[in-house]
Amino acid sequence: AQKVTQAQTEISVVEKEDVTLDCVYETRDTTYYLFWYKQPPSGELVFLIRRNSFDEQNEISGRYSWNFQKSTSSFNFTITASQVVDSAVYFCALRAVGGGSNYKLTFGKGTLLTVNP
Amino acid sequence: DGGITQSPKYLFRKEGQNVTLSCEQNLNHDAMYWYRQDPGQGLRLIYYSQIVNDFQKGDIAEGYSVSREKKESFPLTVTSAQKNPTAFYLCASSIVNEAFFGQGTRLTVV
Repeated sequence: AQKVTQAQTEISVVEKEDVTLDCVYETRDTTYYLFWYKQPPSGELVFLIRRNSFDEQNEISGRYSWNFQKSTSSFNFTITASQVVDSAVYFCALRAVGGGSNYKLTFGKGTLLTVNP
Repeated sequence: DGGITQSPKYLFRKEGQNVTLSCEQNLNHDAMYWYRQDPGQGLRLIYYSQIVNDFQKGDIAEGYSVSREKKESFPLTVTSAQKNPTAFYLCASSIVNEAFFGQGTRLTVV
């Protein structure tokens, strides 16, 4: 079985603050992919990043950065100097490969981020 | 352009009627998925399909049915057995390290 936990249901910050969204996952498979998606009020899911289980290198893209730690089964997402346009629901997802997972793509419950001016 | 197309964007259904939501992709992805999202809630997996003519139940399959006769298409039928069908439905397609979503269908039962 696989599971993704996003313990933070809602976060509210003031513009220019840094904010970290937590994601903890569970899987028995050794090969898997982790994803982050952004869902603005319009509803579509926008792909942000993917990591595979063999690459623990952290990644930075502009104001966004991701910290992948297999030892704690976490894949946290940090927005630096947040902006109002960052307000959205953010989802973490897991797709295990092989074993009995059958390519199942599992999402966390999402974190609603509100950035206030 | 390659992508996933869901139609219609908005759908109204009378109670007791079945309705089918369309999902088409031209990304040549093997796997396809249907998710349901309720207001303020996360994405719950309804059904998924790894290959043509094969599909598995997700976490909330009761009251729904699917088919996968073609690689490009994965329609979802919301049957009258689904007790609370009003929700936002998202379709996705995926290969191993990519997963892309359609724009969603908002279903309202009236």
